[in-house]
Amino acid sequence: QSVLTQPPSVSAAPGQKVTISCSGSSSNIGNNYVSWYQQLPGTAPKLLIYNNDKRPSGIPDRFSGSKSGTSAALGITGLQTGDEADYYCGTWDSSLSGVVFGGGTKLTVL
Amino acid sequence: EVQLVQSGAEVKKPGESLKISCKGSGYSFTNYWIGWVRQMPGKGLEWMGIIYPGDSDTRYRPSFQGQVTISADKSISTAYLQWSSLKASDTAMYYCARGYGLIEYWGQGTLVTVSS
Repeated sequence: QSVLTQPPSVSAAPGQKVTISCSGSSSNIGNNYVSWYQQLPGTAPKLLIYNNDKRPSGIPDRFSGSKSGTSAALGITGLQTGDEADYYCGTWDSSLSGVVFGGGTKLTVL
Repeated sequence: EVQLVQSGAEVKKPGESLKISCKGSGYSFTNYWIGWVRQMPGKGLEWMGIIYPGDSDTRYRPSFQGQVTISADKSISTAYLQWSSLKASDTAMYYCARGYGLIEYWGQGTLVTVSS
């Protein structure tokens, strides 16, 4: 059971938009920055979004992040087949004194 | 370019000991926290713990405290994850990851298989 809650899967057609939610509590999302990670099949995770809504260099602006209260969301527009991956939200948890992740959301581009 | 390069896959028997490594390059190794993340087969990411190589300050997620040991040798810019007695349930991919709350960089992963 993950500390942060994500939907197990989402799907959409190429070119469409999808949103992945991440729900937590005041000890994690509510008082800390949220990051998002992309894990392509058979590879290590990669940082996609940091500090709720910032993109590292090289990440296209098709990817966006937002946070409100104890929830966060990742948006992906102009879906491509190469976006098929598992997506994880992550943040610091002050009660656990450690990083916590969501259970991951598998994106399928139909 | 920041790189975290991990040691290769391991196959061990229950009860055996193991130490896997993660070598950092392209940045000042002593100035950044580096930790370990477990991914069991078909499952999500679990943060295990973290070390600051500059002074060896180490923190563990409670569920991993006493089960593994995290260490670092700053003279060779390498972090380690160690088990004294492996169990079948330790079978997983293990990633080293740079960052205290935000994980900016990840190693390529080390697959540990524990089977009799």
